Amino acid sequence: KNEVEQSPQNLTAQEGEFITINCSYSVGISALHWLQQHPGGGIVSLFMLSSGKKKHGRLIATINIQEKHSSLHITASHPRDSAVYICAVLGGNTGNQFYFGTGTSLTVIP
Amino acid sequence: DGGITQSPKYLFRKEGQNVTLSCEQNLNHDAMYWYRQDPGQGLRLIYYSQIVNDFQKGDIAEGYSVSREKKESFPLTVTSAQKNPTAFYLCASSWGWTGAYEQYFGPGTRLTVT
Repeated sequence: KNEVEQSPQNLTAQEGEFITINCSYSVGISALHWLQQHPGGGIVSLFMLSSGKKKHGRLIATINIQEKHSSLHITASHPRDSAVYICAVLGGNTGNQFYFGTGTSLTVIP
Repeated sequence: DGGITQSPKYLFRKEGQNVTLSCEQNLNHDAMYWYRQDPGQGLRLIYYSQIVNDFQKGDIAEGYSVSREKKESFPLTVTSAQKNPTAFYLCASSWGWTGAYEQYFGPGTRLTVT
């Protein structure tokens, strides 16, 4: 059983579409991270949040602690958004355990 | 420019040989991490270090060893005891060891053992 589940696993969108990627987790957490991994393998941290909502450019991340769920939204999607998006949480029994989702592979077609 | 460097980008080794992956950061971060990524799986934590001269095992430490003699360096040795060493290895760092700190990732090293 994975402590962090993401959906969908794969997503193809037309340029300009609004995109939502979901993350559900089963452990208590102190923080949730959204990461972006490009085809070359490098990973960039997009957001870190423990409550509410954060916005950066066309990206919006929300978290609902009670429902143990987070969403990453991309508005006006662009081909350069094509990447794997990974949800990660820090928590568990010790509070110091990292759990990673397997990622959502996004392809935006021009 | 501040950041994390990993070298080499691609590494090939024969089975039975130890190999050391380099990770250097000039961000003045206290915490450093090593992750392993396999196709279709999430990142898995191998080792982490909260401060210099201290490190802790992660979820899959067997067959790996690390050192943290300097704040900016956290090399990972993949030993011959690691049964499935072929993978993509990522190093990361952060200001502190809690989820409250953003992690900065290096570009990764792809290790192939034959």
